[in-house]
Amino acid sequence: DIQMTQSPSSLSASVGDRVTITCRASQSIGSYLTWYQQKPGKAPKLLIFATSTLQTGVPSRFSGSGSGTDFTLTISSLQPEDFATYYCQQSYSTLNTFGQGTKVDIK
Amino acid sequence: QVQLVQSGAEVKKPGASVKVSCKASGYRFTSYSISWVRQAPGQGLEWMGWISGYTGETIYAQRLVGRVTMTTDTSTGTAYMELRSLRSNDTAVYYCAREGGTYPNFDSWGQGTLVTVSS
Repeated sequence: DIQMTQSPSSLSASVGDRVTITCRASQSIGSYLTWYQQKPGKAPKLLIFATSTLQTGVPSRFSGSGSGTDFTLTISSLQPEDFATYYCQQSYSTLNTFGQGTKVDIK
Repeated sequence: QVQLVQSGAEVKKPGASVKVSCKASGYRFTSYSISWVRQAPGQGLEWMGWISGYTGETIYAQRLVGRVTMTTDTSTGTAYMELRSLRSNDTAVYYCAREGGTYPNFDSWGQGTLVTVSS
């Protein structure tokens, strides 16, 4: 299976901060990288697919970049509703895998 | 709008089986696939497998092969996930998710079904 490693596992930030989360694949996955946001007790929500394409309705402060094995999710100016856990996922292989998650909480 | 509505919470004993349903609405069921994802308490997301809404073809995570079966009923637009020989570490919230696109992603999710395995 392709392993997905996110860093950091958690971070503390303030409203208005720029936040960057990285995701590394154990082998090249092209642009087959998706980001999800999950809040406690809720199902995950699709944020970005194909590495950098914003899902309809997702605020433009979210952006994604990368290719091959190294990818980044950036929140340009953290808002109160952005405190959540973020997961990357690869769909290059039919055996999809998720990263372990990055929890973003309030500093 | 697209909706995936899952069956209710279950409590099972070790060694038993559970079958979770996921009823889709708001789109053509056979045009998309359904994936199942689970999340143990306080843990991350684990992809369990995939079923084509069109052909019924399945792909399962290696660690679950032999214990999991995914099926669909296209007449009702419902997907099912059965997990057998339950263990305590199968306790989790189980989600179904619609999968599609050139770069496959899960754009709609069910509300989740808590399965508790306890003696």
